[in-house]
Amino acid sequence: RKEVEQDPGPFNVPEGATVAFNCTYSNSASQSFFWYRQDCRKEPKLLMSVYSSGNEDGRFTAQLNRASQYISLLIRDSKLSDSATYLCVVNKGSYIPTFGRGTSLIVHP
Amino acid sequence: GAVVSQHPSRVICKSGTSVKIECRSLDFQATTMFWYRQFPKKSLMLMATSNEGSKATYEQGVEKDKFLINHASLTLSTLTVTSAHPEDSSFYICSARDQYVEQFFGPGTRLTVL
Repeated sequence: RKEVEQDPGPFNVPEGATVAFNCTYSNSASQSFFWYRQDCRKEPKLLMSVYSSGNEDGRFTAQLNRASQYISLLIRDSKLSDSATYLCVVNKGSYIPTFGRGTSLIVHP
Repeated sequence: GAVVSQHPSRVICKSGTSVKIECRSLDFQATTMFWYRQFPKKSLMLMATSNEGSKATYEQGVEKDKFLINHASLTLSTLTVTSAHPEDSSFYICSARDQYVEQFFGPGTRLTVL
């Protein structure tokens, strides 16, 4: 089993839709979790950290489920500009990051 | 957020040459920097973790003699791809971690080996 797994997609949704991605991780000792966004041929940029209690930033909501070892990202009211690859990052001991392969989102008019 | 620069952004070289890529944290001190490689439509693969003043820790399968990493200061790490071959062509990205564990990525270096 891979350390961090994501459905590669693509998720093809219309503008205004709500879309959710999950990311599962195998190491129960993982310590911190993040969602990054990567546009084509660009570097990843931090979208949001994921806290145990769940957190929201505008249209984006991130949740952590330690019991089932997954994190989720919910995007409400999708915009065309949300089209990108969303990378899940899990830090294990010594904060060594492990990236998922990313989930591709395409928002169409 | 903090800024990480990477130089060069793009390099084309002949097979057998060595290429050095620099990664700098511009407005913070980074005790740890990471080097990644990403092939088209693939995930970021961690190559090595670089700690200032000590030897880099390489991930399994990454040749340390092929990919030389030097982290001489708190703001600079370099990756040298020695005797590059076409299969080394890839997108190389560095990141620097601040004291709050957040990672900031450089813009990447696209290496093409002919």
